[in-house]
Amino acid sequence: EADIYQTPRYLVIGTGKKITLECSQTMGHDKMYWYQQDPGMELHLIHYSYGVNSTEKGDLSSESTVSRIRTEHFPLTLESARPSHTSQYLCASSDRGPTYTDTQYFGPGTRLTVL
Amino acid sequence: DQQVKQNSPSLSVQEGRISILNCDYTNSMFDYFLWYKKYPAEGPTFLISISSIKDKNEDGRFTVFLNKSAKHLSLHIVPSQPGDSAVYFCAASRTNFGNEKLTFGTGTRLTIIP
Repeated sequence: EADIYQTPRYLVIGTGKKITLECSQTMGHDKMYWYQQDPGMELHLIHYSYGVNSTEKGDLSSESTVSRIRTEHFPLTLESARPSHTSQYLCASSDRGPTYTDTQYFGPGTRLTVL
Repeated sequence: DQQVKQNSPSLSVQEGRISILNCDYTNSMFDYFLWYKKYPAEGPTFLISISSIKDKNEDGRFTVFLNKSAKHLSLHIVPSQPGDSAVYFCAASRTNFGNEKLTFGTGTRLTIIP
């Protein structure tokens, strides 16, 4: 099971500010993901990475950007936060299992509120 | 297009009884399925998974059943406990060399009544 950490857990910030949400995992997983979830809704994949220097956009369009310079670290950045960015952001990591399955393990999430 | 559907947004079950959560999918290429449990303000926790080569997988109080012909899976929790109260998400993927992303359902909120 992965140990995966996210900071901050909660963030309240004003419109126009630049923010970075941190995500780190200690299991050496190659694959990492960012999801966005609003209350009562499904998880929407916004970014993913299959390894260092690999980043892809997910199914849901997002104004955020990500980087993957180190295996264990996958930060998400919003250059100019807006109220529409208010949501819960969930980071996950996974590694291919023995049967090529992909079980993702999640961090505790960051609840972002943009005023 | 919602490829993974959880048609019951909520479910209430008496403590000690069986909880049955359902999930339907439309993409016949999905061959690996997972269930996650999520408490408010926390990340989802992996519960149990099943590959399409099986029709049942059991882990303690949790059993997942897969009916490929009906494109339906279900999670059984028995006996249900108050700590099981949470939102449950099913997810599906294709085992295409391990590079397939998960598609999640919208979740079912389970409430266990003491």
